[in-house]
Amino acid sequence: GEQVEQRPPHLSVREGDSAVITCTYTDPNSYYFFWYKQEPGASLQLLMKVFSSTEINEGQGFTVLLNKKDKRLSLNLTAAHPGDSAAYFCAVSGGANYGNEKITFGAGTKLTIKP
Amino acid sequence: GGIITQTPKFLIGQEGQKLTLKCQQNFNHDTMYWYRQDSGKGLRLIYYSITENDLQKGDLSEGYDASREKKSSFSLTVTSAQKNEMAVFLCASSIFRTNTEVFFGKGTRLTVV
Repeated sequence: GEQVEQRPPHLSVREGDSAVITCTYTDPNSYYFFWYKQEPGASLQLLMKVFSSTEINEGQGFTVLLNKKDKRLSLNLTAAHPGDSAAYFCAVSGGANYGNEKITFGAGTKLTIKP
Repeated sequence: GGIITQTPKFLIGQEGQKLTLKCQQNFNHDTMYWYRQDSGKGLRLIYYSITENDLQKGDLSEGYDASREKKSSFSLTVTSAQKNEMAVFLCASSIFRTNTEVFFGKGTRLTVV
């Protein structure tokens, strides 16, 4: 089945700096890709989603890059602020076209923003 | 907007006990999921269901049962609680066959004594 590896597990950056979190996946039929944010004590909230091919999505100070050739998904934080401190999870699914409604999550990255 | 309600919020059980976690959603979503989140780790899929009375095993189904009694509810049973099962259990739902956003409940924190 699908394997998703997320790196790094922990990341600490200073306020205003950039940060990059990367996921690699194994199933070439994967079609839907998501990033979720989990603040301490809270549940997961969708941050951004991207579908198919090489694509860049931007919003909320984040950029998501999907490279299907390399089976790699990245989340780039351009200028960190304290509210970005949280755990971030990538998620990958095959979508109904491939008969796979399962969504596989990465192990998560705990991002800490230092003043 | 809709909401996913998980009960109870905190569950304390004894080793070997059978424990049931409940989840209700009012999004009218077809697909529902149960995930387990261990401290500092990612989410592992236990069971999911694509429609009422449907059950699909995830990667971590051993030691658990699930039941999709109706479209809006999905329950999870820990058949025999073990001390290494202390974790947060997250219920989620999504629209079937589009795999867009998955919405999560706030979780049930299980402690086994």
